[in-house]
Amino acid sequence: EAGVAQSPRYKIIEKRQSVAFWCNPISGHATLYWYQQILGQGPKLLIQFQNNGVVDDSQLPKDRFSAERLKGVDSTLKIQPAKLEDSAVYLCASSLDGLAGAYEQYFGPGTRLTVT
Amino acid sequence: GEDVEQSLFLSVREGDSSVINCTYTDSSSTYLYWYKQEPGAGLQLLTYIFSNMDMKQDQRLTVLLNKKDKHLSLRIADTQTGDSAIYFCAGRGMDSSYKLIFGSGTRLLVRP
Repeated sequence: EAGVAQSPRYKIIEKRQSVAFWCNPISGHATLYWYQQILGQGPKLLIQFQNNGVVDDSQLPKDRFSAERLKGVDSTLKIQPAKLEDSAVYLCASSLDGLAGAYEQYFGPGTRLTVT
Repeated sequence: GEDVEQSLFLSVREGDSSVINCTYTDSSSTYLYWYKQEPGAGLQLLTYIFSNMDMKQDQRLTVLLNKKDKHLSLRIADTQTGDSAIYFCAGRGMDSSYKLIFGSGTRLLVRP
């Protein structure tokens, strides 16, 4: 079974530029998560999708971050404009059905973003 | 909301046992998890324990849960150099999303 795929693996941008990350979850997984992991910290949930609907985006800085999962499969996370403090690893995870008891989350390798 | 705390660093000799500790604040957490993160990689689920259990064993891994003290530990028996990584404890919140709240991670260094 293929795991969670993410691209790109690394991205360097200047502040005020925009950037987009892509995630392809495990086939058949209804729940998709985007996390932000700042160096030296644990992952923090940014947004959680159930199929193509948003379940939780309470920690997403909506003035600059946006995410979509239009067809309930792939997802993109965008930052516009980026700030220095957005430098982090952005992790995507999926689970079979995070709201129905299948809680195990499977993580992708992450995208390391450096904002200069 | 949930808060999860871990010690930052642990160093052990190869072959010894490692014990990584975690404390959490939300007594309503139903599941508690241990994840492993190797350099440049995502998080790998190691094991989890349901809140009505005191102990769970899975090969070299033993999870102990003390609900009274809100303390969780992960014991790795016969620690190997390949176990060197960052270990994250996480609690599953009881809000509508059941999101995971992670600790800041414990870096385990296994010396040959």
